[in-house]
Amino acid sequence: QKEVEQNSGPLSVPEGAIASLNCTYSDRGSQSFFWYRQYSGKSPELIMSIYSNGDKEDGRFTAQLNKASQYVSLLIRDSQPSDSATYLCAVNMRTIFGAGTRLFVKA
Amino acid sequence: DTEVTQTPKHLVMGMTNKKSLKCEQHMGHRAMYWYKQKAKKPPELMFVYSYEKLSINESVPSRFSPECPNSSLLNLHLHALQPEDSALYLCASSQDQGVGGSYNSPLHFGNGTRLTVT
Repeated sequence: QKEVEQNSGPLSVPEGAIASLNCTYSDRGSQSFFWYRQYSGKSPELIMSIYSNGDKEDGRFTAQLNKASQYVSLLIRDSQPSDSATYLCAVNMRTIFGAGTRLFVKA
Repeated sequence: DTEVTQTPKHLVMGMTNKKSLKCEQHMGHRAMYWYKQKAKKPPELMFVYSYEKLSINESVPSRFSPECPNSSLLNLHLHALQPEDSALYLCASSQDQGVGGSYNSPLHFGNGTRLTVT
């Protein structure tokens, strides 16, 4: 079992829809969880960080953490074409990245 | 603009060359990282420095040699690389390495160095 797993996609959603990205992790001792966005040819940039169970909202982005089920998700509301990128889930304990989910938002 | 600066942006080197990648941050972060990223793959951790000391080496071949001259600078010395080492090399920093060996601080990435080994 990989330490951090994501569906690599691509995930295609129409403009204005909600994009839902999911990530599971294997180490129950993990304490910090991050979502990074990476445009093609660019470096990753932090979108959200979450440390406690529940939801955390920042603008159009909501991160959800469930430590009992060992998953973390990212919701993007009112998706825009500019959201088209690869989204990387990262878990602490050596900051292991998931494989990334490619998101395409169709105008 | 990124607060982590990497130079050069692009580097082409032969298998017998010696070159260095440089990274600088002025955010007062005490942990610095080197990642390697191949096309369509996630970043792969290579090295971590915490308080200027090497804390993690992910079994990286010795042809890659990291150096942390001070808390703001991180170098990656390259020697006798192979064509399969061609990749995007990313430097990152975080406030600290976290408590108990876990990493609680998010990473701030530089723009990367695109390395091609011929």
